[in-house]
Amino acid sequence: DAKTTQPNSMESNEEEPVHLPCNHSTISGTDYIHWYRQLPSQGPEYVIHGLTSNVNNRMASLAIAEDRKSSTLILHRATLRDAAVYYCILASLVFGKGTRLSVIA
Amino acid sequence: AAGVIQSPRHLIKEKRETATLKCYPIPRHDTVYWYQQGPGQDPQFLISFYEKMQSDKGSIPDRFSAQQFSDYHSELNMSSLELGDSALYFCASSLNPSSTDTQYFGPGTRLTVL
Repeated sequence: DAKTTQPNSMESNEEEPVHLPCNHSTISGTDYIHWYRQLPSQGPEYVIHGLTSNVNNRMASLAIAEDRKSSTLILHRATLRDAAVYYCILASLVFGKGTRLSVIA
Repeated sequence: AAGVIQSPRHLIKEKRETATLKCYPIPRHDTVYWYQQGPGQDPQFLISFYEKMQSDKGSIPDRFSAQQFSDYHSELNMSSLELGDSALYFCASSLNPSSTDTQYFGPGTRLTVL
């Protein structure tokens, strides 16, 4: 199975944009890239997904590299409620380590 | 909007006892997934069902079994409980098992084995 690599933790100031990277160098041509986040004491929550083109929704944007070996989740203005563990997932059944995002007021 | 419902939310059991966790998917979702999340760990996929048939199997111990019923709700049965089974158990549902489909997670059941 293709694996993902994410930084263990990141920190952002409130109201600033946040770029959360994910490496997936062994991604297959049919693997979608999904992002979920898990707030403290809650179940994971869907954020966004894409295949090749960049994607935008009300929560975030997803920038996918042309070779698809990496992607970046972009939160345009971090709020305190965005503090969570963010998971980049290829096959939707396999959660990796994720990035713990801290947001500083 | 209706979400995934899990019951009970909290469960305390003794070692070697059995436990049954229930999951009620979002209406019209026919695919259910079970995950286990130990303290400080990431969610680990256990098993999934599509149209009442097992569709995928992950790291589910042999002591655990699960099924999906005709109304699409699912139950995770856990026997001979061990201390290491203490964890959050999440259920998720989706419209179908396609890898493109979004999974919607329930609030989880916190199982404590004493």
